[in-house]
Amino acid sequence: GENVEQHPSTLSVQEGDSAVIKCTYSDSASNYFPWYKQELGKGPQLIIDIRSNVGEKKDQRIAVTLNKTAKHFSLHITETQPEDSAVYFCAASASTAGNKLTFGGGTRVLVKP
Amino acid sequence: GAVVSQHPSWVICKSGTSVKIECRSLDFQATTMFWYRQFPKQSLMLMATSNEGSKATYEQGVEKDKFLINHASLTLSTLTVTSAHPEDSSFYICSARDRGRPKETQYFGPGTRLLVL
Repeated sequence: GENVEQHPSTLSVQEGDSAVIKCTYSDSASNYFPWYKQELGKGPQLIIDIRSNVGEKKDQRIAVTLNKTAKHFSLHITETQPEDSAVYFCAASASTAGNKLTFGGGTRVLVKP
Repeated sequence: GAVVSQHPSWVICKSGTSVKIECRSLDFQATTMFWYRQFPKQSLMLMATSNEGSKATYEQGVEKDKFLINHASLTLSTLTVTSAHPEDSSFYICSARDRGRPKETQYFGPGTRLLVL
């Protein structure tokens, strides 16, 4: 089955700096890669996603890049703000496997004012 | 749009009792719902996939007789933890797939924290 590795596990950045989180996946059939933000005690919130036919996607301060050859994808947050502090999860799914999500281990991001 | 609710948000129960958690899609029809479990400071682990009107499909290692799932309508799925024990204490999160949107996309509920004493 699919295995998703996520790095780093913790990330501390100064407000205004950029944050980058990287994930690798094992199943070459995976074709959907969402990113979720989870605040303490809450459910995950979808912040951006990318499909395998696209190499990059951007939504305001958030961008995701995908390298299918290398089987890795990354989340980029620019101009970080204290409210960006949360745990971020990457995930991958394959339509050939029922679109079940496999999550990475999570990255705890702390934005210091 | 695409709002998923869970009830209750938290529950405390005695060991040996059963607990039911509800997952509702509020503004869309969900042909498929998923149940996840998340232990403190860990990632989400898929427990089972629930399709409306049919039996749930459980992931390897998840006891189907202990975690009963019912998906009786297009907006409601329930998870019942039977004979709960302290090791079942966890954060249970459901997600739903909107039949009117790309089927890869899952919308998550706010989670239910279960504490078994």
